[in-house]
Amino acid sequence: AQRVTQPEKLLSVFKGAPVELKCNYSYSGSPELFWYVQYSRQRLQLLLRHISRESIKGFTADLNKGETSFHLKKPFAQEEDSAMYYCALPFSGGYNKLIFGAGTRLAVHP
Amino acid sequence: GAGVSQSPRYKVAKRGQDVALRCDPISGHVSLFWYQQALGQGPEFLTYFQNEAQLDKSGLPSDRFFAERPEGSVSTLKIQRTQQEDSAVYLCASSMKVPGNTIYFGEGSWLTVV
Repeated sequence: AQRVTQPEKLLSVFKGAPVELKCNYSYSGSPELFWYVQYSRQRLQLLLRHISRESIKGFTADLNKGETSFHLKKPFAQEEDSAMYYCALPFSGGYNKLIFGAGTRLAVHP
Repeated sequence: GAGVSQSPRYKVAKRGQDVALRCDPISGHVSLFWYQQALGQGPEFLTYFQNEAQLDKSGLPSDRFFAERPEGSVSTLKIQRTQQEDSAVYLCASSMKVPGNTIYFGEGSWLTVV
């Protein structure tokens, strides 16, 4: 069955520290994976997708098929990075139906 | 429009009451999704429309949940005889038809059943 696991409910770091938010998945085939972010009092929005290989707001994520992981990384956290982060992958079926992980709250302290 | 719009933003319903939640997708977006997000959890898929056709309703938790999109634009999620376990944020999202297109979420409708 397709599943997304985010093992950490909360990740608390100090400003300037490196950040890694973990995401593991189970999927048969070649998945397309996403990270969504929800800042306080804002709507859920796409942060990045692995297929585009972009760096958004300093965040990157590499798909590791051997470890079935798609961890989100940033070398130097900023206070404005504090938010809920959700990893997601699409159900197979030809449209954009997503399975989300339970989310990790990132708290960046001054 | 500026984005996906949902109303009401907050709803308190007495147990057993019927509720209706409205979603206005981004103009021109063919695909529309409803998700349910319980406290401390990620969004969970409820149902999917392509234009007016409801192509997937596999996530609807019971027959008390009903969704429609009669003209292929605005959608309504209706919950009959609400129960406490229905308390959640209901998120609407829309996208262009092609798989891989960005999905845009609304701010959600927060439902509390008392």
